[in-house]
Amino acid sequence: AQSVTQPDIHITVSEGASLELRCNYSYGATPYLFWYVQSPGQGLQLLLKYFSGDTLVQGIKGFEAEFKRSQSSFNLRKPSVHWSDAAEYFCAVGSYGQNFVFGPGTRLSVLP
Amino acid sequence: SQTIHQWPATLVQPVGSPLSLECTVEGTSNPNLYWYRQAAGRGLQLLFYSVGIGQISSEVPQNLSASRPQDRQFILSSKKLLLSDSGFYLCAWTSGPRLFFGSGTQLSVL
Repeated sequence: AQSVTQPDIHITVSEGASLELRCNYSYGATPYLFWYVQSPGQGLQLLLKYFSGDTLVQGIKGFEAEFKRSQSSFNLRKPSVHWSDAAEYFCAVGSYGQNFVFGPGTRLSVLP
Repeated sequence: SQTIHQWPATLVQPVGSPLSLECTVEGTSNPNLYWYRQAAGRGLQLLFYSVGIGQISSEVPQNLSASRPQDRQFILSSKKLLLSDSGFYLCAWTSGPRLFFGSGTQLSVL
């Protein structure tokens, strides 16, 4: 069965600190992998995606993610967090003709 | 460019009242369309998806229904809302393997 786990429900970091949000997936075929961000009361915005090729992908707002096939992981990172990064982050997997499967989300709080 | 419109942004409805949320997509034809719900403190749950006019697939049994009367229009409905229908509803469409979301509707059932 297809599934996505995000082990951390809530993470708090200080502004300027580095960030890593974890994502693990279970998928029958080689998946396409995504990270979305949702600010309070807003829709979801695509941060970055991995389809194939270089396993380190760059996204918007200074985020990057690394696909590790052996670990079935697609962790999101940012070297220096800004207060405006406080939001909910969702990892998702999908492929052509298949429905997207989302993780439960990780809520990020940023301390001044 | 493609855009997705979803309205209303917020909605407060009494228990037992009907519901109609509308979503339209511009700039593309024959999109796959989706309705997701995000309950407070929980992840995204796929409710319905549609691959064409009049073609609706339901992922979970519930009090809601969906319709696709036109190629780029997707409607989420209920005849009688329940308290448990409260949540944040998101319409989405796919372009190839990518999923794009509308701005969402915050529904509060009182």
